[in-house]
Amino acid sequence: DSGVTQTPKHLITATGQRVTLRCSPRSGDLSVYWYQQSLDQGLQFLIQYYNGEERAKGNILERFSAQQFPDLHSELNLSSLELGDSALYFCASSVDWGVYEQYFGPGTRLTVT
Amino acid sequence: TQLLEQSPQFLSIQEGENLTVYCNSSSVFSSLQWYRQEPGEGPVLLVTVVTGGEVKKLKRLTFQFGDARKDSSLHITAAQPGDTGLYLCAGLTGANNLFFGTGTRLTVIP
Repeated sequence: DSGVTQTPKHLITATGQRVTLRCSPRSGDLSVYWYQQSLDQGLQFLIQYYNGEERAKGNILERFSAQQFPDLHSELNLSSLELGDSALYFCASSVDWGVYEQYFGPGTRLTVT
Repeated sequence: TQLLEQSPQFLSIQEGENLTVYCNSSSVFSSLQWYRQEPGEGPVLLVTVVTGGEVKKLKRLTFQFGDARKDSSLHITAAQPGDTGLYLCAGLTGANNLFFGTGTRLTVIP
């Protein structure tokens, strides 16, 4: 158990819908990272937040957005969902803004039908 | 986009055999990490290598970072069924972005 929690574990929704994935970092960690893992693209970095502020941006689509709240939990919002958005979404956390040591959560499996 | 190619993509070996997984890129990374991921779980960090030419050992696992900091290898000695999983390398850029490799799926048969 990494100490990072993600909810829900599974999510099934239809194309065009909007969903919110939630992540709680390890106690004491200030950075949260979001990743997408699909069979054809592998594990892709989406976005990082550090202490409530966006720190780094990867291959995140404009239909996706994220935020980190004062209690340091984070939410990833996915809108206008397409079939290709079906994937595992992982959250990771680290103590500081550097990615030196990240701890991954168990992931949310999103299926878009 | 920095591309990290891992080889082989799939590897199935008998318990007790040795194996090496490679991670190659045309880009230079400030450090490189190796993760293992099991089905239904997130990746777990195994090691971070920082210096070109660095070698780190973790029990039966030996990790090496290339001199030019563009490639890395993972060698497992006397593989065990518990080593089964998806092995991912990940390179950290100066801009603090982490790029993951394509992955090597290892199966160790008892």
